[in-house]
Amino acid sequence: DAGITQSPRHKVTETGTPVTLRCHQTENHRYMYWYRQDPGHGLRLIHYSYGVKDTDKGEVSDGYSVSRSKTEDFLLTLESATSSQTSVYFCAIGQPNQPQHFGDGTRLSIL
Amino acid sequence: GQQLNQSPQSMFIQEGEDVSMNCTSSSIFNTWLWYKQDPGEGPVLLIALYKAGELTSNGRLTAQFGITRKDSFLNISASIPSDVGIYFCAGLIYNQGGKLIFGQGTELSVKP
Repeated sequence: DAGITQSPRHKVTETGTPVTLRCHQTENHRYMYWYRQDPGHGLRLIHYSYGVKDTDKGEVSDGYSVSRSKTEDFLLTLESATSSQTSVYFCAIGQPNQPQHFGDGTRLSIL
Repeated sequence: GQQLNQSPQSMFIQEGEDVSMNCTSSSIFNTWLWYKQDPGEGPVLLIALYKAGELTSNGRLTAQFGITRKDSFLNISASIPSDVGIYFCAGLIYNQGGKLIFGQGTELSVKP
């Protein structure tokens, strides 16, 4: 167990509502990442953080924002959810240039 | 953008058989990783490869980092039912925040 907790594990919401997913780590890793997983696409990076208040975009960042106010927590926000954002979201943690370790995911359905 | 082509997409094998899957890319990676994902869980790291040409084993698993740094393969010997799951290759890029590029996955089914 890599000490990563994602919450909630499942969520169903409606189009247009805001949604926030939380990732909490107990490993004191500097880097934290948010990915989404869709059939046929593997995992794709949304945003990542390289320190408190330091974040950058990944390859599928449109419609998402992130925040990291302390080392252990990394939040992913969908300001106005759309059906195309229905997916399984994974948080990962890592040290520079080292393999990442993943949480167990949040299954998000947007109706 | 960078892409990894992973094959095959799915495999149906008999218990005891050996399995081979591979990933290719048009880009060079610093590190190749292989992960396994069970239903309802996140990917779990199986093997990490850091040098071109490196061959690494982890129990019944063997993986190699291609000499061109653009490909990798994973072999599983003497498969057992608990090998069932989705296997992902991933390339790690050092100068982009440690970004991982994932293959599409190989879904493995093992018949007892």
